[in-house]
Amino acid sequence: AQSVTQLDSHVSVSEGTPVLLRCNYSSSYSPSLFWYVQHPNKGLQLLLKYTSAATLVKGINGFEAEFKKSETSFHLTKPSAHMSDAAEYFCVVSDNAGNMLTFGGGTRLMVKP
Amino acid sequence: KAGVTQTPRYLIKTRGQQVTLSCSPISGHRSVSWYQQTPGQGLQFLFEYFSETQRNKGNFPGRFSGRQFSNSRSEMNVSTLELGDSALYLCASSLVWDASIGELFFGEGSRLTVL
Repeated sequence: AQSVTQLDSHVSVSEGTPVLLRCNYSSSYSPSLFWYVQHPNKGLQLLLKYTSAATLVKGINGFEAEFKKSETSFHLTKPSAHMSDAAEYFCVVSDNAGNMLTFGGGTRLMVKP
Repeated sequence: KAGVTQTPRYLIKTRGQQVTLSCSPISGHRSVSWYQQTPGQGLQFLFEYFSETQRNKGNFPGRFSGRQFSNSRSEMNVSTLELGDSALYLCASSLVWDASIGELFFGEGSRLTVL
């Protein structure tokens, strides 16, 4: 069985400072890992995904994530937060063929001016 | 091009009623999957269809059902509604049937309130 744990339910940063959203996963197989973002009253948008290629994955809007198998982690980072980054972020795992995704509980990112 | 369209966007039902939600995928996409989002349980997978066949099903009671039509549009139905069914129901479409290869595009959801 696969599972995802997002270590922080809320993260608050100041505009222009780095962002770190933490994610640990559990999977029986070689997983595919994703980060999705959800803005208020909007659907989910894919930020980036890891599928066993390069361990450092670059996504949209300056976000990137590093897959660390030894730590079973897939943390999301951004060097400099922008007000428009305020949203809920979901770490997601898929370890079977298909479009069945297992979501973490989400991290709400707040960006202070 | 048009994104994933879900209808209705908002609806209110009472306990015991049934509801049908509709999802129109992006043109050309053959995979449609459904997710339930609640404050308590988060995002949970309901089911997935590809070319009219159900490929995966999540851990939900039989009151939750779905189908996909030949034009890839999908519907999900919830019968005998319970208060706990109040949620945002999200639909996602993909060109392919494997998330590691393709990308899931989500609609804005149908918000169901059960009174």
